[in-house]
Amino acid sequence: AQSVTQPDIHITVSEGASLELRCNYSYGATPYLFWYVQSPGQGLQLLLKYFSGDTLVQGIKGFEAEFKRSQSSFNLRKPSVHWSDAAEYFCAVGPMIRWGKLQFGAGTQVVVTP
Amino acid sequence: DAGVTQSPTHLIKTRGQQVTLRCSPKSGHDTVSWYQQALGQGPQFIFQYYEEEERQRGNFPDRFSGHQFPNYSSELNVNALLLGDSALYLCASSRGIDFNYGYTFGSGTRLTVV
Repeated sequence: AQSVTQPDIHITVSEGASLELRCNYSYGATPYLFWYVQSPGQGLQLLLKYFSGDTLVQGIKGFEAEFKRSQSSFNLRKPSVHWSDAAEYFCAVGPMIRWGKLQFGAGTQVVVTP
Repeated sequence: DAGVTQSPTHLIKTRGQQVTLRCSPKSGHDTVSWYQQALGQGPQFIFQYYEEEERQRGNFPDRFSGHQFPNYSSELNVNALLLGDSALYLCASSRGIDFNYGYTFGSGTRLTVV
């Protein structure tokens, strides 16, 4: 069965500290991989995506993610968080076909403390 | 460049009623997908439209139906509303012929069923 797991429901991090959000997936084939961010009451904003090639992907707002095929993981990182990074983060996977639907994890809520 | 536009932003309906949500895709996009996001959960795929046809459907009952118009805009209809239909409904657009563009999400319609 296909699934996306974000093990951490809630993470609290100090401003300026590093952040890592975990994502593990179970999929029949190598999928497309995405990280989205959602601020309260807002839609989803794409941070970065992985389709193929270099396994370290750079995104917007200083985020990066690393695809590890052997671990079926796609973890999101940021070296130094800002108060504005407080939000909910979703990992998603989609098939490499034309009519792809995204399957999302349950999300990780990030709280940034001063 | 306008992104994905959804209307209305908020809606309150009574159990048993019917509701129609609307979505205008991002300029240049021809495929529209709908997702339901219950409180505290990740988005769940409802269905996807391309060339005015439903191309893929998630695990939602027939009470959920949709339509895509020649200008690529889309509607989501939900009949016989249940309390459990209360959620944020997200529309996402993409270019059907080139998944590499990924999805662009709107800010959603918050539906409350009372």
